[in-house]
Amino acid sequence: DAKTTQPTSMDCAEGRAANLPCNHSTISGNEYVYWYRQIHSQGPQYIIHGLKNNETNEMASLIITEDRKSSTLILPHATLRDTAVYYCIVRPGGTSGTYKYIFGTGTRLKVLA
Amino acid sequence: DTEVTQTPKHLVMGMTNKKSLKCEQHMGHRAMYWYKQKAKKPPELMFVYSYEKLSINESVPSRFSPECPNSSLLNLHLHALQPEDSALYLCASSTPNTGSTEAFFGQGTRLTVV
Repeated sequence: DAKTTQPTSMDCAEGRAANLPCNHSTISGNEYVYWYRQIHSQGPQYIIHGLKNNETNEMASLIITEDRKSSTLILPHATLRDTAVYYCIVRPGGTSGTYKYIFGTGTRLKVLA
Repeated sequence: DTEVTQTPKHLVMGMTNKKSLKCEQHMGHRAMYWYKQKAKKPPELMFVYSYEKLSINESVPSRFSPECPNSSLLNLHLHALQPEDSALYLCASSTPNTGSTEAFFGQGTRLTVV
């Protein structure tokens, strides 16, 4: 399983963009990058995922570098409700078996008023 | 319906008790997962079921016994637990064997072993 490295914590001012980095230098060609977040004591919430192209949805944007060894999750206008632990997960694709979602240590994002 | 429902939300049990955690989803997902999460730590994978068969056991002690009686339901049977097993237990489901699919998580059962 590819390992991910994230900063332990980050602060962001309310209304500003939050940029959360993730390193996954051992990622393989068929592995997707997923982002989840977990608000205190709740279940993890899916945010976005991608393979090699940049992705955007109503919650966030995902920027994956061309060599795919790192990615950045962007919350365009952070609010206090975005305060959470954000997890970057690398997970294989393919149809040959059942694959795991393995959580790294995550980044604790605090949005400041 | 994109919901994974876990019951009970809270459970307190003694070390000699037998109890079960329940997880249900109606999204047609054929992969279901159990995770354990200790305070201030990331979720740790315990078991994965694919098409109602156990496909991954992450060397979990036998006092935890999973069961998948049908495609919508996942149970975790607990017996002779220790206080260090106190944690948030999370269930998730997804489409199996496909890389481009997200897993949906329940809100968890907070277990306290006394």
